[in-house]
Amino acid sequence: AQSVSQHNHHVILSEAASLELGCNYSYGGTVNLFWYVQYPGQHLQLLLKYFSGDPLVKGIKGFEAEFIKSKFSFNLRKPSVQWSDTAEYFCAVNESPGANNLFFGTGTRLTVIP
Amino acid sequence: DAMVIQNPRYQVTQFGKPVTLSCSQTLNHNVMYWYQQKSSQAPKLLFHYYDKDFNNEADTPDNFQSRRPNTSFCFLDIRSPGLGDAAMYLCATSRAGGAAAEQFFGPGTRLTVL
Repeated sequence: AQSVSQHNHHVILSEAASLELGCNYSYGGTVNLFWYVQYPGQHLQLLLKYFSGDPLVKGIKGFEAEFIKSKFSFNLRKPSVQWSDTAEYFCAVNESPGANNLFFGTGTRLTVIP
Repeated sequence: DAMVIQNPRYQVTQFGKPVTLSCSQTLNHNVMYWYQQKSSQAPKLLFHYYDKDFNNEADTPDNFQSRRPNTSFCFLDIRSPGLGDAAMYLCATSRAGGAAAEQFFGPGTRLTVL
């Protein structure tokens, strides 16, 4: 079975700092990769996804992620965070093709201090 | 706005007393999912429906059942809740099966078992 690791459980940054959240997965085959965000009191929302093509994926709100197959990684980045980015971030993976089961990491809580 | 709705948002039940959680969607998506998320853990898929086809995850306890009477509604039944079933239950939908399909999440129902 897949496993997804998010090593940072809680990250605290000041506004305008750069962000990188780590995500590693265990499956050796073809995968699809996702980052979901959950703002306080809200539901999980898709931030970005990778399923093929350019390994550098751009998502909403200035976020991007890079798929590095050799490292089994899909790290999330943002050059300059805002207070409104305070949220919980979940990395998720499923096996391609055809699998519906999303395997989630345990999440990283990001707190941005104004 | 099209969305995934979960009712109730908070549910308290007694040990062993059956409980039903509800999910509805206005997205007209083929696939509906139920996830369990315990505190500080990753969301974990319990089962999903692709149209009327039910797909149970191998490690989902028999205590958990689901019904999908029509495209819009899906229910999670917990026949005899134990203390270990206290968790957030997330409903999600996607337009079709397939690994790259984005899943849209509801706000969740937080279940407390007394």
